[in-house]
Amino acid sequence: QKEVEQDPGPLSVPEGAIVSLNCTYSNSAFQYFMWYRQYSRKGPELLMYTYSSGNKEDGRFTAQVDKSSKYISLFIRDSQPSDSATYLCAMNNFNKFYFGSGTKLNVKP
Amino acid sequence: SQTIHQWPATLVQPVGSPLSLECTVEGTSNPNLYWYRQAAGRGLQLLFYSVGIGQISSEVPQNLSASRPQDRQFILSSKKLLLSDSGFYLCASAGGGAETQYFGPGTRLLVL
Repeated sequence: QKEVEQDPGPLSVPEGAIVSLNCTYSNSAFQYFMWYRQYSRKGPELLMYTYSSGNKEDGRFTAQVDKSSKYISLFIRDSQPSDSATYLCAMNNFNKFYFGSGTKLNVKP
Repeated sequence: SQTIHQWPATLVQPVGSPLSLECTVEGTSNPNLYWYRQAAGRGLQLLFYSVGIGQISSEVPQNLSASRPQDRQFILSSKKLLLSDSGFYLCASAGGGAETQYFGPGTRLLVL
């Protein structure tokens, strides 16, 4: 069993839609939870990170962590074509980081 | 936040040739440094990480090696490249508290 599971998609939505991206994990020792956006042929860009269970909002993005269910989500409101990318979830246990395989998102104009 | 520099951006090398990829970090001191490889359409594979100068942990046995000669410099090397070494190589940095990682722009390596 992988430490972090993420649906690879692809996920295709119309512009303006609310997007929900999700990951599950198995290790209750994970401490910080991150979401990255990766455009084609570029390095991953950190979008948000959070420590505790609950919600964290940054503009159109909301990260949600439920440690009791070992489940994290990223919501994108009013999605734009520029949001089309691969989204990676990640989490860490001290010095080591564990990544989902990424969900490819396509926002259609 | 930190800035991670990687070069070159793209590299085409013949099988059996040596490799040296360099990564430098700005905006932090004493970072934890990481080398990942990402195959096309796949997730990130951790290759090496370092918590300090001269300290290298290897995650995957292979013909690659890593060195950290300075606090904010991390080098990925190979004496003889294999076809299977082709991929997208990413350097990442995390602060001492290791709350999160920042990535460089990556090096695309094609071994022919």
